[in-house]
Amino acid sequence: GAVVSQHPSRVICKSGTSVKIECRSLDFQATTMFWYRQFPKQSLMLMATSNEGSKATYEQGVEKDKFLINHASLTLSTLTVTSAHPEDSSFYICSAYQRGAGVGEQFFGPGTRLTVL
Amino acid sequence: DAKTTQPNSMESNEEEPVHLPCNHSTISGTDYIHWYRQLPSQGPEYVIHGLTSNVNNRMASLAIAEDRKSSTLILHRATLRDAAVYYCILTETGANSKLTFGKGITLSVRP
Repeated sequence: GAVVSQHPSRVICKSGTSVKIECRSLDFQATTMFWYRQFPKQSLMLMATSNEGSKATYEQGVEKDKFLINHASLTLSTLTVTSAHPEDSSFYICSAYQRGAGVGEQFFGPGTRLTVL
Repeated sequence: DAKTTQPNSMESNEEEPVHLPCNHSTISGTDYIHWYRQLPSQGPEYVIHGLTSNVNNRMASLAIAEDRKSSTLILHRATLRDAAVYYCILTETGANSKLTFGKGITLSVRP
């Protein structure tokens, strides 16, 4: 099956710094990628939908200026958490549909564990 | 988005079949039923999806009620590696639909 990778898998940063997380579709093209956040013992919460070559669509309550999303190519989307604070500590997961595959499975990355000190 | 309801948890024995129920009484005629699962500290993994007819794949079977207001994910022989949170999700018709995750059902498998 199609593979989605994320980098880094784990990051620890100081409060106030910015952190960039990369999401790559390794063997397929993805016109649409999604970014989720998951707090401990909770379900995944969709943050935004990232479309290649256009602006991301953010879910209600997600600050677009804090969570910058760039989808510059059909295989790469990045999420930058700007001026991170301890409350941003979470498990960030990206996913993608294979281009042209129709209704089917969404492929998820392994997640990035962000800890803000 | 149409909602789904699932029990919080279920226990099963290894090598026995497992039936995970999902209710979706407000499903619309064009909503697809998807199942994903998530192992601890990993991203979710696709299991199966269907529209009206029952579906089988190498991982599981999906049994969809005739009125489509409920469905059941069937793992034919549970293994310890099947212990995970299983999410039943409805998506609107069309490709690239976003997924709205509920709480899911936590499956424990006893050796």
